Amino acid sequence: GAGVSQSPSNKVTEKGKDVELRCDPISGHTALYWYRQSLGQGLEFLIYFQGNSAPDKSGLPSDRFSAERTGGSVSTLTIQRTQQEDSAVYLCASSSTLSGGREQYFGPGTRLTVT
Amino acid sequence: GNSVTQMEGPVTLSEEAFLTINCTYTATGYPSLFWYVQYPGEGLQLLLKATKADDKGSNKGFEATYRKETTSFHLEKGSVQVSDSAVYFCALFHTGTASKLTFGTGTRLQVTL
Repeated sequence: GAGVSQSPSNKVTEKGKDVELRCDPISGHTALYWYRQSLGQGLEFLIYFQGNSAPDKSGLPSDRFSAERTGGSVSTLTIQRTQQEDSAVYLCASSSTLSGGREQYFGPGTRLTVT
Repeated sequence: GNSVTQMEGPVTLSEEAFLTINCTYTATGYPSLFWYVQYPGEGLQLLLKATKADDKGSNKGFEATYRKETTSFHLEKGSVQVSDSAVYFCALFHTGTASKLTFGTGTRLQVTL
């Protein structure tokens, strides 16, 4: 079946602009995660959704970052007033209830470059 | 809090050599442990997992055993191939504290002919 998809695959934006990153999880997966992969920080957790609610937002680095999930499916990560330190690969993962969130399947990522 | 420590890379091996990538963790209770692999230009793929002490995860010739006594989950392969060149990430998942994966820093493996 189809895996996790993310769009766009690449995004170049100017400092100060807002960006939206999209994630389509595997059909039927109730849990959705956003992570960030950057050279200096490795792989960092950002936010976790169970259905449409986000019980854990502890990894969002600042209030410029927000995310939502609608219909228990698609999720959007929004970064407002982007800064150069936001440049990274943003990864989305989904997981089924059966695995209790343990087995997470990752999308290909969105590479964000802030100039 | 939870943390994962894995050996620094890069690791450079000749084809057919034996591979070990060390991984140790810090967590309370009994986390689930994973190895993920990231091939050049691709996303993260789940390589293998173990959910309780003494479990052995295996896939594609790779193995790792969950050692509670040493809090370790070392990745091994008896004979590496050029196609195994990738970055390998050790990770843990602990529902008791936070429903998320905590990753190590990754180890780059380069296999040469």
